Amino acid sequence: EDQVTQSPEALRLQEGESSSLNCSYTVSGLRGLFWYRQDPGKGPEFLFTLYSAGEEKEKERLKATLTKKESFLHITAPKPEDSATYLCAVSGLQGAQKLVFGQGTRLTINP
Amino acid sequence: SQTIHQWPATLVQPVGSPLSLECTVEGTSNPNLYWYRQAAGRGLQLLFYSVGIGQISSEVPQNLSASRPQDRQFILSSKKLLLSDSGFYLCAWSDSGVAYNSPLHFGNGTRLTVT
Repeated sequence: EDQVTQSPEALRLQEGESSSLNCSYTVSGLRGLFWYRQDPGKGPEFLFTLYSAGEEKEKERLKATLTKKESFLHITAPKPEDSATYLCAVSGLQGAQKLVFGQGTRLTINP
Repeated sequence: SQTIHQWPATLVQPVGSPLSLECTVEGTSNPNLYWYRQAAGRGLQLLFYSVGIGQISSEVPQNLSASRPQDRQFILSSKKLLLSDSGFYLCAWSDSGVAYNSPLHFGNGTRLTVT
């Protein structure tokens, strides 16, 4: 069974204080690893897809990396507007497009 | 560009009442469609997915059902709601075919409270 575990559950940072969020996964053949941002009361917003170990993607202050067992979302010099819950999901060899999600990391950036 | 609409945004229903949540997608054809539920403090749980009109796959046994009467319309229903059906329901779409590694795109959800 495909599984995703995210850590930490919650993270508080000061504005400008860089850090990383972790996503550990087990999957029967990785088709893709996905990062999403979710604001309170809203649906998840797609950020990145990573397909193979060693791949990296960047968007503004966010950078996602992938190894064979985990992915990291690095946040460089964050701003208060980066506060959100960040979700990680994987798609494995189960047919169709069934993403398995982690429980998310709730990130708070204090000004 | 593609857009996804989900309604209502908020719903309060008594136990035993029926449910109908609707989701429509614009700007794409033959999408894969999904219903997820997100309970407080928990991850997203896949409830149903559909790869075409009338084709529904259920992921977990439950009090809910789904239907896809048109290519870009997905409906989540229940005949009699239970307290445990409360949660945040999310509809999503993805491109069909390809290599099953395209991202899902979510609507803004329906907050359902069963009282």
